[in-house]
Amino acid sequence: KAGVTQTPRYLIKTRGQQVTLSCSPISGHRSVSWYQQTPGQGLQFLFEYFSETQRNKGNFPGRFSGRQFSNSRSEMNVSTLELGDSALYLCASSLQQGEYGYTFGSGTRLTVV
Amino acid sequence: GQQLNQSPQSMFIQEGEDVSMNCTSSSIFNTWLWYKQDPGEGPVLLIALYKAGELTSNGRLTAQFGITRKDSFLNISASIPSDVGIYFCAGRTQGGSEKLVFGKGMKLTVNP
Repeated sequence: KAGVTQTPRYLIKTRGQQVTLSCSPISGHRSVSWYQQTPGQGLQFLFEYFSETQRNKGNFPGRFSGRQFSNSRSEMNVSTLELGDSALYLCASSLQQGEYGYTFGSGTRLTVV
Repeated sequence: GQQLNQSPQSMFIQEGEDVSMNCTSSSIFNTWLWYKQDPGEGPVLLIALYKAGELTSNGRLTAQFGITRKDSFLNISASIPSDVGIYFCAGRTQGGSEKLVFGKGMKLTVNP
C-alpha cells in the first residue's frame, strides 16, 4: 500500500513569506502528526490532527498552523517565515489518535533565505 | 520541556560488531519507541515497548523498557553495512499529553 506522501519534497522561500506543506496519510489512517526536525533541536512535535480536529499542539508560535480535511489529508502552514524555520518537516500517520507506531513520510525540506 | 538524553551521539564500528545505545529521562515514560532514519527519509519504527521490563526483539535488534520507566536501550547484533543511519529513541510520558518526545539521535557508521 502507498506510504505517507508529503509534497513538495523541497522548498526555498524568502523571509517574511508564508508556506503551505501537504501530507496525505496512508489510506485508512485517520491521525496525522507533524514534526519539525533540525540539527540543533532534533525532532520537535508540532501538532496532531484526528477527525479534522487538532488534538495536541507542541510549543511552537502561532505562525505555525495546520488543518485536516475530511479525507484525512493534512496541511500545515507557516506564516511570516524566519530563517530559523529552515528544517525538515515530517508528517506521520496512524490509524487512531494516540497510536504511536507512526509511519512517517519522507518530509519536506524547507529552506528560508 | 521534557527531554530524552540519548547516548552515545555517534559510533563508528566494524561490520560484524555489536552496538548498544540508550536513552534516559528524568520523567517516567509509559511508552518507548526506537526509530531509524536513513538520509533523505523519514524515521522508520523499529521496535515499540509498552511495559516496564519488557524485552523485545526484531531480528538482530533487541530493545528493553527499563524497570524504572526512565530508560530504554537498543542493541544491534552482528552489524551490517545497511545498519548505517541515525537511531532515535522516543517516549511518551505517563499521564502526559498525547505526543512523543524524541532523543537527539545516534549516528551509526559501519565500516565494511
